[in-house]
Amino acid sequence: DILMTQSPSSLSASVGDRVTITCRASQGIRTDLGWYQQKPGKAPKRLIFAASTLVSGVPSRFSGSGSGTEFTLTINSLQPEDFATYYCLQHYISPLTFGQGTRVEIK
Amino acid sequence: QVQLVESGGGVVQPGRSLRLSCAASGFTFNIYGMHWVRQAPGRGLEWVAVILYDGSNKYYADSVQGRFTISRDNSKNTLYLQMNSLRVEDTAVYYCAKDRSSSYSYGMDVWGQGTTVTVS
Repeated sequence: DILMTQSPSSLSASVGDRVTITCRASQGIRTDLGWYQQKPGKAPKRLIFAASTLVSGVPSRFSGSGSGTEFTLTINSLQPEDFATYYCLQHYISPLTFGQGTRVEIK
Repeated sequence: QVQLVESGGGVVQPGRSLRLSCAASGFTFNIYGMHWVRQAPGRGLEWVAVILYDGSNKYYADSVQGRFTISRDNSKNTLYLQMNSLRVEDTAVYYCAKDRSSSYSYGMDVWGQGTTVTVS
């Protein structure tokens, strides 16, 4: 199984900060990776697919990059509604695997 | 609009069975792969299973292999998850999700609101 190691597990940031979250795959997954945002009590929402393609309607302050084994989600100018938990997901091969999540909290 | 609505959750004793359903609407159900994903209380997301658009292939997480069965009825636009031999560790919110492809090649793009399963 492919292990997705996501870091950090949590972070504290202020409105307006730039935030970077990283996912490392235990083997190459091309760009078969998505990023999801989840708020408490809600279903996940996809932000990024194919590692770097922004889902329609998602603010442009979100961006993704990477291929192979190293991937990054960046949030430029963090907004109050961005405080949530973020997950990466590899769908290169079954079983699909998520990173353990990054909780973004208000400093 | 595209919508997925799960049902069938509840409280069940260990060793018993439960069947979840997911009613799809607003898109052509029979051309997309469909997933089940779960989230234990206070924990992260765990992928459970996927079924291809025509039901021809199914894939499972090791943790549920042999106990859970994913299926679909394309005539009813409905996805199912038959859960047998339930364990306390299966307690979670179960989400159904649509893939962007006919299999699992593009990941989940639409999610339901979830249904809660408690094994106790």
